[in-house]
This record gives sequence, structure tokens and C-alpha cells, in this order.
Amino acid sequence: EVQLVESGGGLVQPGGSLRLSCAASGFTCTNCWLSWVRQIPGKGLEWVASIDPDGSEKDYVASLKGRFIISRDNAKNSVYLQMNGLRAEDTAVYYCARDPHTPTSYFDSWGQGTLVTVSS
Amino acid sequence: SYELTQPPSLSVSPGQTASIPCSGDRLGDKYVSWYQQRPGQSPVLVLSEDNKRPSGIPERFSGSNSGNTATLTISGTQPMDEADYYCQAWDNSIVVFGGGTKVTVL
Repeated sequence: EVQLVESGGGLVQPGGSLRLSCAASGFTCTNCWLSWVRQIPGKGLEWVASIDPDGSEKDYVASLKGRFIISRDNAKNSVYLQMNGLRAEDTAVYYCARDPHTPTSYFDSWGQGTLVTVSS
Repeated sequence: SYELTQPPSLSVSPGQTASIPCSGDRLGDKYVSWYQQRPGQSPVLVLSEDNKRPSGIPERFSGSNSGNTATLTISGTQPMDEADYYCQAWDNSIVVFGGGTKVTVL
């Protein structure tokens, strides 16, 4: 069974940093892209970032580029999101998702999400 | 930046057909995927590449995409289909989601 399990969310002060992790199981993601998508409570989905199978290509939503960094460790079947300079508007549930990326980008498996709250 | 537009809400009676539009500039030139999200749950892919159903998604879910509009159609809508639905496309290495449509079955 394909599973994605996020961790690392929590309460952080404005200006702080947080690193989210997502562990994949039930499949080996050697050919898949992995992504982060967030959702402000009560609002819609917002794509955050995606990373290609070998970690050489990383794409970001323009508004977050420079503050958030996506990375992966294929040996651990995991993807990470380093979030710096956090703001109140970054408060959201962060989902990791698998992207087959063939022939286009879409998300066929999602984790349960991890809540990040930015507040003093 | 590319944008996808969906109506915020839609109501449908049980057993009837729900058609959820998603509009974007020359959207028919791109592939569109659709996701269902029930309250308190993670999104679930219901259609990829305009009209491909993943394993386990009922046949009553279908899709089309032409011109500037993609449409998710739910035939014979059931109460369990009440959820938020999001369209999504990929443009120039950027993933874009529509704002979502809340489907109420009543």
C-alpha cells in the first residue's frame, strides 16, 4: 500500500524556521517527482514545490521561492521542506504528494498532512 | 501567472448529474486533473489527464477538456460525493490549482 507520512509540523514564531519531512512507503520513488502542497484552514489547495527523481530539478511557487527549500533523500525514500523566515500567512496544513509526472504533473497519492502554525 | 477559475459552490439532487467547470486560458492545450476532498481528509485524485480514472474511482466520474474549459461530471450523484473538488493543471513547470468548488448533494 502506498503511504506518505508527513512529520515536523508544529507551532513556530514569526521569523522562525521549520523542517518538514515526508516518508514514503509501499513504493520506491526512483522515477517519481515528490511535491509539497499546502492548505490554509478553510481555504483551497496551493502548490508549494516539487522535486524531480534525482533531486536536480526543483520548482517552486514564485511567492515562496527563496524562503522554502525542497530536497529529497532517495536512500530514505523521503522528501523534505525547509521553511525559513516563516510568516503568519504560512500557517497551513502541509501535504506531501507523489507526482508520476508523466505526461504531466499531477498527484496520485497524498499524505495525511502536517499542521504548521506561525504565531507568537 | 496562470490561473484556473471554478465556481465556489454547486448544488445537485441525489441521482442527478453534477457538472463542475474549470476555466483557464487555452486550458484545452493542457492536461487537467481533478481532486476530491471531503471534510477533514486529504485530497484524492479522481481524474488525471483530463479523463483518466485511477483504480478505485467510480465510473460515474468523468471529464472533458476543450477550448478554455475543463469539466468534471458526476453522473448519478450520490450523497457520498458531497465534497470540495479542485481542478489542477501544469503550466511552464508550475502547478496551478483552481479555487475549488463545494458540491452539496441535497
